[in-house]
Amino acid sequence: QVQLRESGPGLVKPSETLSLTCTVSGGSMNGAYWSWIRQPPGKGLEWIGHFYIGGSTTYNPSLKSRVTISADTSKKQFSLELSSVTAADTAVYYCARQDYHGSGSYDYWGQGALVTVSS
Amino acid sequence: IQLTQSPSSLSASVGDRVTIPCRASQNVRGFLNWYQQKPGNAPQVLIYLVSSLQSGVPSRFSGNGSGTDFTLTITSLQFEDSATYYCQQSYTTPHTFGQGTKLDIK
Repeated sequence: QVQLRESGPGLVKPSETLSLTCTVSGGSMNGAYWSWIRQPPGKGLEWIGHFYIGGSTTYNPSLKSRVTISADTSKKQFSLELSSVTAADTAVYYCARQDYHGSGSYDYWGQGALVTVSS
Repeated sequence: IQLTQSPSSLSASVGDRVTIPCRASQNVRGFLNWYQQKPGNAPQVLIYLVSSLQSGVPSRFSGNGSGTDFTLTITSLQFEDSATYYCQQSYTTPHTFGQGTKLDIK
């Protein structure tokens, strides 16, 4: 059973960089896309980007200039950095696995990490 | 690709049958999934690739559609089906979600 867990600061100041880490347990990171998805309070879901080990990383064009997704497969972790944050970046941030070779859906999710952007 | 869910909320009674529509701005070639989200929890996949039932999901949930028009149907509604339902396309990046339909069980 794959499990994901987000970790990182819950409060970030405006103009600074938001950093989160997702730790994967219970399965291999190979053969799947690993993603970040966010949800502002009371609103819908927004796809941030994903990567495939040994493949490319793809970002949402709406965030591309500010986002970096990286991975440390030896630790079974991947990270999100979002620079120059504003209040509009306040959201619950989820890491998730896309079962690319099977259902194509996001079949495993972390519990979510609320990040508030405020001074 | 934009996904439109309308209505944004609906109300039904225990035992009812409800259908939640989702329309894509272009053909998603069958790469359409449905999720259920309850307050404070991450979304959970119900249906993948239009009509395949995720393991462990009750058979009262079903999906249908093709091209740009899709539906999620829930039969014999239960109180625990009270949630927000999202459609999502994984045909092309950026992957997108509908804005959600909140289902209230009376």
